[in-house]
Amino acid sequence: EAGVAQSPRYKIIEKRQSVAFWCNPISGHATLYWYQQILGQGPKLLIQFQNNGVVDDSQLPKDRFSAERLKGVDSTLKIQPAKLEDSAVYLCASSWSRGYYNEQFFGPGTRLTVL
Amino acid sequence: AQTVTQSQPEMSVQEAETVTLSCTYDTSESDYYLFWYKQPPSRQMILVIRQEAYKQQNATENRFSVNFQKAAKSFSLKISDSQLGDAAMYFCAHNAGNMLTFGGGTRLMVKP
Repeated sequence: EAGVAQSPRYKIIEKRQSVAFWCNPISGHATLYWYQQILGQGPKLLIQFQNNGVVDDSQLPKDRFSAERLKGVDSTLKIQPAKLEDSAVYLCASSWSRGYYNEQFFGPGTRLTVL
Repeated sequence: AQTVTQSQPEMSVQEAETVTLSCTYDTSESDYYLFWYKQPPSRQMILVIRQEAYKQQNATENRFSVNFQKAAKSFSLKISDSQLGDAAMYFCAHNAGNMLTFGGGTRLMVKP
């Protein structure tokens, strides 16, 4: 079974530029998550999708971050414009459904550096 | 709101020895799951073990076991017969209401 795929693995941009990250979840997983992991900290949930609908985006900085999951499969997370404090690893995860008992499977992450 | 605290930023263990990683959490939910995730240097997070709050029996997975103290809101991870491949960041996480909340992590070093 293929795991969660993410691209790119690394991205370096200057502040005020835009950047987009892509995630392909495990086939059949209805729920998709985007996390931000700042160096030395645990991941923090940014947004959660159930199929192609947003379930929770309460911690997403909506003035600069946006995400979509078209057709309930792949997802894209965008930052526009980027700030220095956005430097982090962005993790995508997926699970069969939304239940709190469900294991979340994580991708390798995208390391973003904002200069 | 849920919070998860890991008070040990770093731990070290000799190969083949046993180590225990600590985790405390705070929640107002009555039913929830607790997880330990491992994040090796390659960054891909993998599940080590999970515990349902309603189950009194502590979960075990081969060399990994937990000590779940619900009243104290404590959830520690014990790794027996430590191996070099166990070296990684370990994150304790709490899930209630579909939101997974992570602690700050403990870096485990394994000495040969």
